[in-house]
Amino acid sequence: SQQGEEDPQALSIQEGENATMNCSYKTSINNLQWYRQNSGRGLVHLILIRSNEREKHSGRLRVTLDTSKKSSSLLITASRAADTASYFCATSNSGYSTLTFGKGTMLLVSP
Amino acid sequence: GAVVSQHPSWVICKSGTSVKIECRSLDFQATTMFWYRQFPKQSLMLMATSNEGSKATYEQGVEKDKFLINHASLTLSTLTVTSAHPEDSSFYICSARDYGTTSDEQYFGPGTRLTVT
Repeated sequence: SQQGEEDPQALSIQEGENATMNCSYKTSINNLQWYRQNSGRGLVHLILIRSNEREKHSGRLRVTLDTSKKSSSLLITASRAADTASYFCATSNSGYSTLTFGKGTMLLVSP
Repeated sequence: GAVVSQHPSWVICKSGTSVKIECRSLDFQATTMFWYRQFPKQSLMLMATSNEGSKATYEQGVEKDKFLINHASLTLSTLTVTSAHPEDSSFYICSARDYGTTSDEQYFGPGTRLTVT
């Protein structure tokens, strides 16, 4: 079964608002990564957070990781219409292991 | 940097034919490449791990005789869907890991949409 489970499944917000997506996983991880996928396209790597890190920032993105709860969150601040996409979390059990993807959250940002 | 390409972008083929999809790392060497498939509005499911110069490692439930993987060089892996059927219609995505770094990051190709009629 898939490691990561995102919620919500879909999220619709207005431009300028913040969007928060959550990811839960089941087993121990080495790192957790967030990806964006525009409709029918490949994946774009957003951010990687290691198991010994609790928070990471990249531009308008903020990722948190709580290994005790086996969960992570992705916050997109001041959203834009161009942020409309599906967002996936993916976990890795060790440094060079395979990635296991969650089901994803579809984000729609309306102008 | 770290660009992965796939060819073709989309392909329509008749049932029973075979289709080859290429995955190339354009500006780095990749000893390991990964093949995923994605059904509409679903997540990516890992099919196999492709290692340069050795046999691919397939995930449980993936038929290795149906999905032939060849990783003949450090910049190219191919996935051949043999005797394709309509249920093989899907979005196939490859990714590659940069051999020259210790980064855990995988770089993804733009995907290939396969439609079997």
